[in-house]
Amino acid sequence: DAGVIQSPRHEVTEMGQEVTLRCKPISGHDYLFWYRQTMMRGLELLIYFNNNVPIDDSGMPEDRFSAKMPNASFSTLKIQPSEPRDSAVYFCASSLGDRLYEQYFGPGTRLTVT
Amino acid sequence: TQLLEQSPQFLSIQEGENLTVYCNSSSVFSSLQWYRQEPGEGPVLLVTVVTGGEVKKLKRLTFQFGDARKDSSLHITAAQPGDTGLYLCAGGTSYGKLTFGQGTILTVHP
Repeated sequence: DAGVIQSPRHEVTEMGQEVTLRCKPISGHDYLFWYRQTMMRGLELLIYFNNNVPIDDSGMPEDRFSAKMPNASFSTLKIQPSEPRDSAVYFCASSLGDRLYEQYFGPGTRLTVT
Repeated sequence: TQLLEQSPQFLSIQEGENLTVYCNSSSVFSSLQWYRQEPGEGPVLLVTVVTGGEVKKLKRLTFQFGDARKDSSLHITAAQPGDTGLYLCAGGTSYGKLTFGQGTILTVHP
């Protein structure tokens, strides 16, 4: 079975541009999580969904960040406008409700904002 | 805010040595996970512990959950170069959320 799929793997953009990160969770998983990893702050939870519904977005840094999950097999994280401090690796993870904390991570998207 | 502190931050050892990584908090967690991450990849789940005092073994890796469910340790016996990576502990907090430690970067030299 395929794991969590993320695209693109690398994204380089200029400050002020819109960035969209994509995620396909493991089939059958009902929880989806978006994380950000930096050297300074480590791995931080941004937002998570249950059955396509956003449950907790308290980790989203500011209004420039938004996330959607239009169906069970697809989610997006959008940054508009992007800033250099948004540079990080963004991970998507998914899990099953009965093993909620056993999360399976995608390979990540390395975002560089110049 | 529930925090997890890992120690040491960096560990550089020779092949064949033993090592222990610690994960401590002042908060109680419903479960604790250990992940391993290699450069350019996402974290990979190694183990979940849920019961205070629980010990789990995965080949040369031994994981322990503290009796009070506030701390955990990872012990590796006879480390090998293939064990090199970033080790992360994560505690299950309010429903659905994981709090991650800062990680321990382990380098095992041949």
